[in-house]
Amino acid sequence: EVQLVESGGGLVQPGRSMKLSCAASGFTFSNYGMAWVRQAPTKGLEWVATISYDGSSTYYRDSVKGRFTISRDNAKSTLYLQMNSLRSEDTATYYCTRVGRSSYIYWGQGVMVTVSS
Amino acid sequence: DIQMTQSPPVLSASVGDRVTLSCKASQNINKNLDWYQQKHGEAPKLLIYYTNNLQTGIPSRFSGSGSGTDYTLTISSLQPEDVATYYCYQYNSGWTFGGGTKLELK
Repeated sequence: EVQLVESGGGLVQPGRSMKLSCAASGFTFSNYGMAWVRQAPTKGLEWVATISYDGSSTYYRDSVKGRFTISRDNAKSTLYLQMNSLRSEDTATYYCTRVGRSSYIYWGQGVMVTVSS
Repeated sequence: DIQMTQSPPVLSASVGDRVTLSCKASQNINKNLDWYQQKHGEAPKLLIYYTNNLQTGIPSRFSGSGSGTDYTLTISSLQPEDVATYYCYQYNSGWTFGGGTKLELK
């Protein structure tokens, strides 16, 4: 059974950093691209970043370029999102998702990040 | 960047109704479009991929169609468990979700 379990969220002050993790199991992690999708409270879904199966290619939405870094450790079957210079508008539930044929079939349960002083 | 506009934002319908949700892209996305269902408090679920392909395990009352810039998700006979917000998502150029259509029971 495919499982994606996010961790690392919580309350953080504006301008500070936070690192999210997503532990994957039930599939060969190194065969799949992965992505982060977020959802601000009462708002819609928003793609954040994607990483290729081997980590060689990364893509970001404009609003997080230069502040967020997506990475992966295939030996640990874990996806990461390093978030620096956090802003109030980054407050959201962050979902880890597996990329298949460009679609997101498997999702984690989400982890909440609140940016507030 | 490609913009995705969903209409209507909110749709009220009765059990058994045929329901149509629309999604319009700001440019041709070559059928590179998915539909996701998100129930309250849950992660999204893939319903339809590449415009008209039903994801495994999804009831056949869901179907998708479209081309170019205009796409549609149809529920042939609305069921109570279909109450959710539905999002279209393009991956033709970059990756963009629509703003969502909230489907309610009348």
